[in-house]
Amino acid sequence: DAKTTQPNSMESNEEEPVHLPCNHSTISGTDYIHWYRQLPSQGPEYVIHGLTSNVNNRMASLAIAEDRKSSTLILHRATLRDAAVYYCIKGGSQGNLIFGKGTKLSVKP
Amino acid sequence: GAGVSQSPRYKVTKRGQDVTLRCDPISSHATLYWYQQALGQGPEFLTYFNYEAQPDKSGLPSDRFSAERPEGSISTLTIQRTEQRDSAMYRCASSRDAGLWNEQFFGPGTRLTVL
Repeated sequence: DAKTTQPNSMESNEEEPVHLPCNHSTISGTDYIHWYRQLPSQGPEYVIHGLTSNVNNRMASLAIAEDRKSSTLILHRATLRDAAVYYCIKGGSQGNLIFGKGTKLSVKP
Repeated sequence: GAGVSQSPRYKVTKRGQDVTLRCDPISSHATLYWYQQALGQGPEFLTYFNYEAQPDKSGLPSDRFSAERPEGSISTLTIQRTEQRDSAMYRCASSRDAGLWNEQFFGPGTRLTVL
């Protein structure tokens, strides 16, 4: 299973929106796109997931390209507590998560 | 329980020793996953259980690694004849079932160091 492609790191200013991109060109029609984040010294934490349509929840929004080969996680107002590694994940056929290296997000006050 | 718990949180062992790691999932969750996470990398899938059944062992690095979930709740991951390359964080996650869309809840992990 091919992994997704994300930038290694990104920076944001506090209170500003953040757009985290992800490429998943090998995705198949039934693969979900999941986003998890991992704060320092903690286990991964669910953020959002989607299949075809854009999704919103209390943490973030997920914009999925029409061809499903890419997606963008949107944090509407970054806070210092959002500093973490964000993983864009293609779901495996067994419900397992196929993690890549993720994007390390730094948030400046 | 309130969340996924793992024990021990830290384990230091000598090369060649066997170690057993424990995972206690959320009590209502049918599915349990084991992942291995090297420093600076994302977690890598090892194996998973649906209740006590273990449909996929494909991620286990070698036959020194084995996992059990005999009663469909608590799971153990055993590494026999440990090697230095086994040093990593071992993470357990549980989900309501094995549906492709389900949220996984991760435990705090066990940091294994093999000297």
